[in-house]
Amino acid sequence: DQQVKQNSPSLSVQEGRISILNCDYTNSMFDYFLWYKKYPAEGPTFLISISSIKDKNEDGRFTVFLNKSAKHLSLHIVPSQPGDSAVYFCAASGGAGNTPLVFGKGTRLSVIA
Amino acid sequence: DTGVSQDPRHKITKRGQNVTFRCDPISEHNRLYWYRQTLGQGPEFLTYFQNEAQLEKSRLLSDRFSAERPKGSFSTLEIQRTEQGDSAMYLCASSLAYSGTGELFFGEGSRLTVL
Repeated sequence: DQQVKQNSPSLSVQEGRISILNCDYTNSMFDYFLWYKKYPAEGPTFLISISSIKDKNEDGRFTVFLNKSAKHLSLHIVPSQPGDSAVYFCAASGGAGNTPLVFGKGTRLSVIA
Repeated sequence: DTGVSQDPRHKITKRGQNVTFRCDPISEHNRLYWYRQTLGQGPEFLTYFQNEAQLEKSRLLSDRFSAERPKGSFSTLEIQRTEQGDSAMYLCASSLAYSGTGELFFGEGSRLTVL
């Protein structure tokens, strides 16, 4: 029973264009959502998060949107850069962000120069 | 700036052997987590500690797996009688309890290969 789903295993985008990565969740108790980025042979690194009381959070080129009624969130990267090429994981937590993170399977983003 | 460190980074062992991984969290963090990641999957939660207390264990954690955090600082994850299905990246992460963000800080992982 996958509580956090990333249905696109991979995505290719031209440099300078927008990358949109999607994530769906099933557990209505989740109240914090995070995106992590992972390069090969490294641990995941935190990218951006959003609380369930918000519907948007922006940090530079990265914006996360949350649609609670649809149990859906998305990460927008604009403009995309070749250095953004990595695997992106969506993760969720409950209890005001106090329970262990539950991760999706990840989406591999390739930004083509 | 000392992040989460894990040792060893890579371990190759034969089926049936025991292996132990060590994790040193960020010093001021009171929570420590172990996750496992296999190819094509996201990190899967195994267990976590708050200080020295083990608060939760996943049902993924079979009896062959044991984790300790004896003094509330570093932690060890031991796998006894390893099986080929144990081959994975074992990730350690730390955080502050009740930080309000849910953010975990990960180490670079310990890759286990069971032959």
